This record gives sequence, C-alpha cells and structure tokens, in this order.
Amino acid sequence: NAGVTQTPKFQVLKTGQSMTLQCAQDMNHEYMSWYRQDPGMGLRLIHYSVGAGITDQGEVPNGYNVSRSTTEDFPLRLLSAAPSQTSVYFCASRQTGLLGEKLFFGSGTQLSVL
Amino acid sequence: GDSVTQMEGPVTLSEEACLTINCTYTATGYPSLFWYVQYPGEGLQLLLKATKADDKGSNKGFEATYRKETTSFHLEKGSVQVSDSAVYFCALSTFSGGYNKLIFGAGTRLAVHP
Repeated sequence: NAGVTQTPKFQVLKTGQSMTLQCAQDMNHEYMSWYRQDPGMGLRLIHYSVGAGITDQGEVPNGYNVSRSTTEDFPLRLLSAAPSQTSVYFCASRQTGLLGEKLFFGSGTQLSVL
Repeated sequence: GDSVTQMEGPVTLSEEACLTINCTYTATGYPSLFWYVQYPGEGLQLLLKATKADDKGSNKGFEATYRKETTSFHLEKGSVQVSDSAVYFCALSTFSGGYNKLIFGAGTRLAVHP
C-alpha cells in the first residue's frame, strides 16, 4: 500500500548544480503532478502529466523539466539550481472516475539551494 | 483567472473550541471544491469535498458547505482537538487547457492548545 513515493526527503544543493527528484506511484493513475510549497503562497503547480508520454507546464515551470516514460514514474529535474528554487516539493497523482476525484500526495522533498 | 482565497493564519484555539476557516473562490463554470489537510512533516491529505452547489462535505467532525451564491466553502468544526493542529488548504478543481487542474489557497495554520 505504498501510494506515492518521493525521494529524497531532504537535499542541499549549491547554485548551478543539477538534480532529479524522484516520484513513483503504484495506483495506476494517469494524472501526476509536481507542486512547490512556499510560505504564504500555498501550493503552486510546476508541471503535470495526463499519461505516459504527455507532459505540460503548470503555473511556475521555469527552471524545471519533467518526463513521463511510464505510468508509474514522474521525475522532476532541476538542470541548474538557483536559490529561488529553495522550497518544499510535492508530487501527487490523481484518482478520477467512479471513485471520485482525489489527489494522493507524496511526503515531500525539502530542497535548499545555497 | 480562477483562484482561491483563505483567511490568513495562524489560528490558535483552545481544545473544544469552535473552528471556522473561511474560504472563497473565483471560478468560471461549476468547480468541485476541496479541503486538504497537512499534518506536520507529511504531504497533503484530502479531508472533504463537495461537487455541486449546496452539497455538504464532512469527515472527522469537519464540515463545509458549497455555497454558490456567496462563492464560499468555509470549513467548520464544533469542538477541535489538539490532534487537529495542522495546515488546512482550500482548493478548487477547474477545467483548463483541456484538463482538470487543482488550484490551492495559501493555507491556514491551526494550532490547538490543551
């Protein structure tokens, strides 16, 4: 009963470094998304995917890349980290259909860029 | 564009006090409305939802009624417990760019003291 699994839980980067935040779900959800959470601003959508091979930009996509080669995995890449990307990142997948709409969130990645 | 506005926190209450967290929204069409809760160190979890006007969502003693005339979805609980201490997010589901997207409010932190 894993749900949405995010790794790592914590990460510290230097400006200009690159890294990938991993996200995997085992619920066969087509829709997956990445959010960042900043104080006083709630959650803002970075990128989302409605199925394998399909991705699109959200509200704050600059500085981030995504890909969706399988239904299960939706990694988020920072190609050249900047201090403005210090935040808490959440991956989510969405249940739809007869069971009703509901987002399942991972436990988050706290990222600091120095 | 579509948006969600929540009352600013933190909200500090004594155990067994009544809780109201205000939420208003702006949206075209007929969005579904949600309350998500984030306990310390965890990702968000769906608390309750309502999919049409006058619907009441309820869970764990919390309630919220979808009021189309006032574009509101206020969260209420008659008697809070220390374990209710968390951050509460109001959200709406909107159809944009061909897909459903969730838009979150900024979150309201609730602290309940014994």
